Amino acid sequence: QSALTQPASVSGSPGQSITISCTGTSSDVGGYNYVSWYQQHPGKAPKLVIYDVSDRPSVVSNRFSGSKSGNTASLTISGLQAEDEADYYCSSYTSSSTYVFGTGTKVTVL
Amino acid sequence: QVQLQESGPGLAKPSGTLSLTCAVSSGSIRSSNWWSWIRQPPGKGLEWIGEIYHSGSTNYNPSLRSRVSISLDKSKNQFSLNLRSVTAADTATYYCARNPYGDYQFDYWGQGTLVTVSS
Repeated sequence: QSALTQPASVSGSPGQSITISCTGTSSDVGGYNYVSWYQQHPGKAPKLVIYDVSDRPSVVSNRFSGSKSGNTASLTISGLQAEDEADYYCSSYTSSSTYVFGTGTKVTVL
Repeated sequence: QVQLQESGPGLAKPSGTLSLTCAVSSGSIRSSNWWSWIRQPPGKGLEWIGEIYHSGSTNYNPSLRSRVSISLDKSKNQFSLNLRSVTAADTATYYCARNPYGDYQFDYWGQGTLVTVSS
């Protein structure tokens, strides 16, 4: 299984909105509404921020939102804050009953 | 809330076996959850290794299936990873994580443990 494709980097100024894409195939992203997103700060374990394409854990800020169209899922961070600077990874369940992660995106707050 | 803690040798020899354990606290490994191993080479992205259910059922990443096994120790409330025939490419931080049964995300993670493959 090949890693899902994400842009290597995305940047934005405080207060702006940014969107990270995650492109897969009909065997993973396009075939199931089981896309999740993880935030990872340097030296830390990943933290779940979005699951089932667009659901958000209660402890996660409502500035994080997710969506999907066809084989591409997206994570949007609105009202960008300095603390949002981190690496972000998407993940999808697959038709082989396995999981595949995205290549990762470094978010920089200018 | 559930807590996960990885443990094991930080160094493995080439062609040897990498063995790690994940202790689960504030929750039972017998509960309806899948328990996963995920790794991250230095400076690179995440890779799902495999998972085990409390019944002992397993699923593995096809690229690692020939070398990996995941097992449960219910008496110690922990699960383990064995990766055989390791090379330098297996050097990574290894995380254990929980994915609730019927859900398809990893909601609790261990802090991770770095394993270096070197002679």
